[in-house]
Amino acid sequence: GDSVTQMEGPVTLSEEAFLTINCTYTATGYPSLFWYVQYPGEGLQLLLKATKADDKGSNKGFEATYRKETTSFHLEKGSVQVSDSAVYFCALSNYMEYGNKLVFGAGTILRVKS
Amino acid sequence: KAGVTQTPRYLIKTRGQQVTLSCSPISGHRSVSWYQQTPGQGLQFLFEYFSETQRNKGNFPGRFSGRQFSNSRSEMNVSTLELGDSALYLCASSLGFRQETQYFGPGTRLLVL
Repeated sequence: GDSVTQMEGPVTLSEEAFLTINCTYTATGYPSLFWYVQYPGEGLQLLLKATKADDKGSNKGFEATYRKETTSFHLEKGSVQVSDSAVYFCALSNYMEYGNKLVFGAGTILRVKS
Repeated sequence: KAGVTQTPRYLIKTRGQQVTLSCSPISGHRSVSWYQQTPGQGLQFLFEYFSETQRNKGNFPGRFSGRQFSNSRSEMNVSTLELGDSALYLCASSLGFRQETQYFGPGTRLLVL
């Protein structure tokens, strides 16, 4: 079945450091790819999405590019802030699976120190 | 536009009881999905409803069930609660039914004692 693999955390960075969180996927067909973020005590917020190969999703300084040749969707940010501390989830939605079902990675905890 | 709302936000139940959780989707959204989040298993898909019909179901026992009403609001029910059912239950809504972006509510945290 479809699956998503994320780099394990926690990832600890100093403020203004560069962030990369790796995400790779296994799926048949042409899935859509997502990054969601979860702050303590809250639900998931959509951070960005990409629906086809070579699409770049971007939001709030975060970017990710859909790479079909490497089946990857790595999350990057040029300069992190303390307020970016949260759990980040990579996910896919595969129309061949029927419907909007999301398959999630395990999540990566990000801690940013001031 | 108001987001996805879930009630109650917190629940404490004992083993063997049953529980019903409620979800109101974003206005105009017709699809509602439910997910269970636990530290051990992560985020797992429970089921998705669209136009009052269950369209997809995850690998959960029959104790987990749901329904959707004509106004797109959804409920999920867990019968004969087990300790392992303690989790954050998240509801997500989307506009349509095929590869649409899902927007999540704040979740209901269920503790089974």
